[in-house]
Amino acid sequence: ETGVTQTPRHLVMGMTNKKSLKCEQHLGHNAMYWYKQSAKKPLELMFVYNFKEQTENNSVPSRFSPECPNSSHLFLHLHTLQPEDSALYLCASSPYQTGASLGDSPLHFGNGTRLTVT
Amino acid sequence: EDKVVQSPLSLVVHEGDTVTLNCSYEVTNFRSLLWYKQEKKAPTFLFMLTSSGIEKKSGRLSSILDKKELSSILNITATQTGDSAIYLCALYGGSQGNLIFGKGTKLSVKP
Repeated sequence: ETGVTQTPRHLVMGMTNKKSLKCEQHLGHNAMYWYKQSAKKPLELMFVYNFKEQTENNSVPSRFSPECPNSSHLFLHLHTLQPEDSALYLCASSPYQTGASLGDSPLHFGNGTRLTVT
Repeated sequence: EDKVVQSPLSLVVHEGDTVTLNCSYEVTNFRSLLWYKQEKKAPTFLFMLTSSGIEKKSGRLSSILDKKELSSILNITATQTGDSAIYLCALYGGSQGNLIFGKGTKLSVKP
């Protein structure tokens, strides 16, 4: 186990469905991230939360809606997705959102949710 | 535009071989460079490099950063089938300061 748990592992959904991805971290971290990993593309940062506050939205379409009720849990709500949204969605955490003044730390990733939109 | 370029994109070797993976970058406000290993699931952290010329080592893996050449290499000696994975290079920097990833190098080690 990586200390970051994601559920479900696999998800198949139609374009009209609504579903949610869940992420939980047991590392005592204060920053959490959603990344999208598509074939032959670099990991793309979607959202960042620092101390439960959203600090980054990387021009993500509104059909993806994040929620962070506390520093340990992060959700990604999905609705009316497109087939091109099929990808591996990775959650990550770090002690705090890195920045030049606080120094950098590695992100700890979960195993991801493999999403297929039909 | 900030970018991280890894080469080769894929590589097939035999057990016992030594491999060198490359990562080059163009980014404003560079702070640190990281290597991750991904075996079909969570990327796992290998190294973080901030200073040029200082080698970091863990078992058969080692890495070094060259800030003058804007690049880093990851070496794996005496490769094993368990080293088969995608190796991701990422760095902190850029206009927003977040972690920027390359596409990865897919390494396959044949017995």
